[in-house]
Amino acid sequence: QKEVEQDPGPLSVPEGAIVSLNCTYSNSAFQYFMWYRQYSRKGPELLMYTYSSGNKEDGRFTAQLNRASQYISLLIRDSKLSDSATYLCVVNQVTNAGKSTFGDGTTLTVKP
Amino acid sequence: DGGITQSPKYLFRKEGQNVTLSCEQNLNHDAMYWYRQDPGQGLRLIYYSQIVNDFQKGDIAEGYSVSREKKESFPLTVTSAQKNPTAFYLCASISRAPGRGPGSTEAFFGQGTRLTVV
Repeated sequence: QKEVEQDPGPLSVPEGAIVSLNCTYSNSAFQYFMWYRQYSRKGPELLMYTYSSGNKEDGRFTAQLNRASQYISLLIRDSKLSDSATYLCVVNQVTNAGKSTFGDGTTLTVKP
Repeated sequence: DGGITQSPKYLFRKEGQNVTLSCEQNLNHDAMYWYRQDPGQGLRLIYYSQIVNDFQKGDIAEGYSVSREKKESFPLTVTSAQKNPTAFYLCASISRAPGRGPGSTEAFFGQGTRLTVV
């Protein structure tokens, strides 16, 4: 079993839709949680991070962390064409934090 | 501009040939990492270096080698021992992100090198 499991996708939604990208983790030692966005043929970029249970908002994006259920999600509101990308769920332990563990990614396509 | 530069963007390798992928950063980060990405999969760690003149194997190091002679540079050699080298290779430099919480880091990725065996 992988330590980080993402909904496999791919997802296709119309512009303006609300999208939820989901991720579960199996190691309670993970303490820091990130979402990276990767456009086609590019390197990933940090989109959001969180370490406290609950919701964290940044514009149209909300990162949700539920430590009890070992579950994180990324909510995208009012989807735009530019949101079309692969979203990677990434987690860190406190020790050796640089060795992040990556989910397989969920590819999202937003259609006009 | 601060950043991380990978070259070349596309690379073709013949069977039995060694090739070297370049990764340079001017972010003054101590830690640098190499990942491999296959279609529909996440990033798998090949090698990483926390400091100059030191590096460790990641999860899939077989068939690869690295060096870290300078802080700015972390080249990856794909040797003939790597039986399935066709993939997208990503280099990253890692910074701690103090104040963001326990275990917080941020990875800065290059634009990747797409390696194809011909």
